[in-house]
Amino acid sequence: NAGVTQTPKFQVLKTGQSMTLQCAQDMNHEYMSWYRQDPGMGLRLIHYSVGAGITDQGEVPNGYNVSRSTTEDFPLRLLSAAPSQTSVYFCASSIRTGHEQYFGPGTRLTVT
Amino acid sequence: AQKITQTQPGMFVQEKEAVTLDCTYDTSDPSYGLFWYKQPSSGEMIFLIYQGSYDQQNATEGRYSLNFQKARKSANLVISASQLGDSAMYFCAMTRSGTYKYIFGTGTRLNVLA
Repeated sequence: NAGVTQTPKFQVLKTGQSMTLQCAQDMNHEYMSWYRQDPGMGLRLIHYSVGAGITDQGEVPNGYNVSRSTTEDFPLRLLSAAPSQTSVYFCASSIRTGHEQYFGPGTRLTVT
Repeated sequence: AQKITQTQPGMFVQEKEAVTLDCTYDTSDPSYGLFWYKQPSSGEMIFLIYQGSYDQQNATEGRYSLNFQKARKSANLVISASQLGDSAMYFCAMTRSGTYKYIFGTGTRLNVLA
């Protein structure tokens, strides 16, 4: 039981490049979410999903896309990277909304 | 709108002493959940404790307890008998019943001194 996995651990992008951050969970959790963590700002919700085929925006969705074709996977796509997207990204899952979340190890992204 | 406030950016505590980390929240909904997470220097987020708004008793998990004062809208984390391994960032979070969004406070960095 691997829990929540994220790849890659580190990534450097140039402005304008696109990429996908991968997230997978093997706990059959209904709810999955993406956060970004910036110094002094805690974690901010980017997008979330309450089940396969259902996604919605969080607090800071601009510049990011998500999809959820399976219960296990919830990738986050950066369409055209900007320096303001330099951050640490966490994926999380919970059995359903309102329950404690389990977090992946995070991806440290730098956009130059 | 919901809001979580953690007013202590950093705290120090002597090993083996108890420490309280403050968290206040703002919501008009009667049904909500409150969470505390620990983030060590290695970066992972670890769930510590949960309190539901209708729970009659304060939540406890080992050395962690949540001092829930509903009328004051506070959900302070109490760590008893601090250990060096408790040195970390601590985040308070909440979610409102019927929504799918969790919001986090800005965190408190706790340093445990030997």
